[in-house]
Amino acid sequence: KAGVTQTPRYLIKTRGQQVTLSCSPISGHRSVSWYQQTPGQGLQFLFEYFSETQRNKGNFPGRFSGRQFSNSRSEMNVSTLELGDSALYLCASSLGTFSYEQYFGPGTRLTVT
Amino acid sequence: AQKITQTQPGMFVQEKEAVTLDCTYDTSDPSYGLFWYKQPSSGEMIFLIYQGSYDQQNATEGRYSLNFQKARKSANLVISASQLGDSAMYFCAMTRRNTGANSKLTFGKGITLSVRP
Repeated sequence: KAGVTQTPRYLIKTRGQQVTLSCSPISGHRSVSWYQQTPGQGLQFLFEYFSETQRNKGNFPGRFSGRQFSNSRSEMNVSTLELGDSALYLCASSLGTFSYEQYFGPGTRLTVT
Repeated sequence: AQKITQTQPGMFVQEKEAVTLDCTYDTSDPSYGLFWYKQPSSGEMIFLIYQGSYDQQNATEGRYSLNFQKARKSANLVISASQLGDSAMYFCAMTRRNTGANSKLTFGKGITLSVRP
């Protein structure tokens, strides 16, 4: 069974631009969660999508948004990029119902200059 | 609110020896789950082991075991017979357990483990 895939793996953007990251969960998994990892703040939960609906949301500004498609693939968008948005963005997939194990993708490393 | 504390500095262990990575947690939820993840330098988070708060026995997965002491609110990871490939960052995490699945994971700061040949 294929694992979680994330594209692109690396990205360099300029302040003020916007970026879209993609995550394809493990086949059969309906929940996708997104996390931001930085050296200073560690791993922080962004949001979770289940069956195309945002089910849970972390404490991030509205510049961070996401969506999920009918095939469970998810995208995350960050608008008006700031230097502090430079981070490793990880997505995790799980079955989404009565299952607590989450499997992570390799991450997208975003650098904002 | 949930909180995970990992305070050990970088850990070193000799190849083939056992090592314990400490994790304490705090939560007011009666039902919760505890996880350990491994993050090598490549960045991918690798799921190692899961323990539910009502599970009677400590979880084990191959060379990994979770020493769960509920009264002390600790969930230490024990790696037996360390291998060079175990060198990585290790994160302890927790989540609420509701009637459905709540996937929000709260992570600790992580512990760096280096295995010496």
